[in-house]
Amino acid sequence: GIQVEQSPPDLILQEGANSTLRCNFSDSVNNLQWFHQNPWGQLINLFYIPSGTKQNGRLSATTVATERYSLLYISSSQTTDSGVYFCAVVGAAGNKLTFGGGTRVLVKP
Amino acid sequence: GAVVSQHPSRVICKSGTSVKIECRSLDFQATTMFWYRQFPKQSLMLMATSNEGSKATYEQGVEKDKFLINHASLTLSTLTVTSAHPEDSSFYICSAPTGNPHNSPLHFGNGTRLTVT
Repeated sequence: GIQVEQSPPDLILQEGANSTLRCNFSDSVNNLQWFHQNPWGQLINLFYIPSGTKQNGRLSATTVATERYSLLYISSSQTTDSGVYFCAVVGAAGNKLTFGGGTRVLVKP
Repeated sequence: GAVVSQHPSRVICKSGTSVKIECRSLDFQATTMFWYRQFPKQSLMLMATSNEGSKATYEQGVEKDKFLINHASLTLSTLTVTSAHPEDSSFYICSAPTGNPHNSPLHFGNGTRLTVT
């Protein structure tokens, strides 16, 4: 099946800093989503972005499908941005969403 | 927006008992739903695909007789953990696509934290 790798695994930021999270995948995809899992376990949909660039407030994402990677940008980070960020994909030949290992983000005040 | 409701949010049960978890799509119909499991500090792993009106399909290594899935309507899928043991303690979370799962976003419930004592 398709492999999804996220980097870095852990990230510590000072409040106000910017950061970039990366997601590499091993095959063509029809679906790519970014999620934020809060401390209570809730998965918050951030972006549905199989290709192109999207922005939502301080967050933006870019997927370069031909090169098999996606980037999530966090600007002016806040303590509420802490949590785990997951990238998940559906391969071109499948219908199952496969998750990467996640990036654990801690934003310090 | 698409809402997936999952209940209960937390359950504690004794070893050997069964627990049922419900997953409902509130404002859309879903012929397919997905059940994931997440152990502490780990990622989400797909357990099974729930298909309305037919049998669920299970991922390799997931016991179908232990994790019973029923998808009786276009808005409801249930996961029953039978004869639960402490090693079944985990975070279970369901999801549903608003369209074709091949190329539509998945929406997730808030999850169920199961503790087996």
